[in-house]
Amino acid sequence: EAGVAQSPRYKIIEKRQSVAFWCNPISGHATLYWYQQILGQGPKLLIQFQNNGVVDDSQLPKDRFSAERLKGVDSTLKIQPAKLEDSAVYLCASSLSRGGPYEQYFGPGTRLTVT
Amino acid sequence: GENVEQHPSTLSVQEGDSAVIKCTYSDSASNYFPWYKQELGKRPQLIIDIRSNVGEKKDQRIAVTLNKTAKHFSLHITETQPEDSAVYFCAASSQGGSEKLVFGKGTKLTVNP
Repeated sequence: EAGVAQSPRYKIIEKRQSVAFWCNPISGHATLYWYQQILGQGPKLLIQFQNNGVVDDSQLPKDRFSAERLKGVDSTLKIQPAKLEDSAVYLCASSLSRGGPYEQYFGPGTRLTVT
Repeated sequence: GENVEQHPSTLSVQEGDSAVIKCTYSDSASNYFPWYKQELGKRPQLIIDIRSNVGEKKDQRIAVTLNKTAKHFSLHITETQPEDSAVYFCAASSQGGSEKLVFGKGTKLTVNP
């Protein structure tokens, strides 16, 4: 089975610029997660979708971060404007459904560098 | 909310020795505890998980134990090999809410040949 796909793999931007990341989950996985992993730390959940609805966005900096999951499949995460502290790897993960918990499968991540 | 503490942050062992990584959690409602292995520059991958109705689970050289009363769980790797070198993350999740995973800060394991 195909894994979670993410693009781009790497992105370098200047502070105050905007950036967008894309994620395509495993086919049939209703739940999609975006995590931020700062160097040397564990992943931190930013937002969780169940189909195209938001389940948890309590740790998403909503003044600059936004995410959507149209049609309950692909998802995009946007940062506008970026700050230096946003430099991190952004991981997308998916799992079967709620009512679990079920194993979360991670994508390869997008490494963002903000200069 | 849930808080997961993980120790040690770094661990160096000789090939063939055992390695133990320990985690504690704060939310007594948490009932799912996965362990992920992350090699440098790669995605986290699940290596073993345990649910709160089980005290121990084994998969070949890897085992996880859970003490619900003390709210801690541990990863045990026996007969370590150089390819076990990676960063290991523990996590905790509770059912019924968002089921989000809260991760520890990771343990960098180095297995010396």
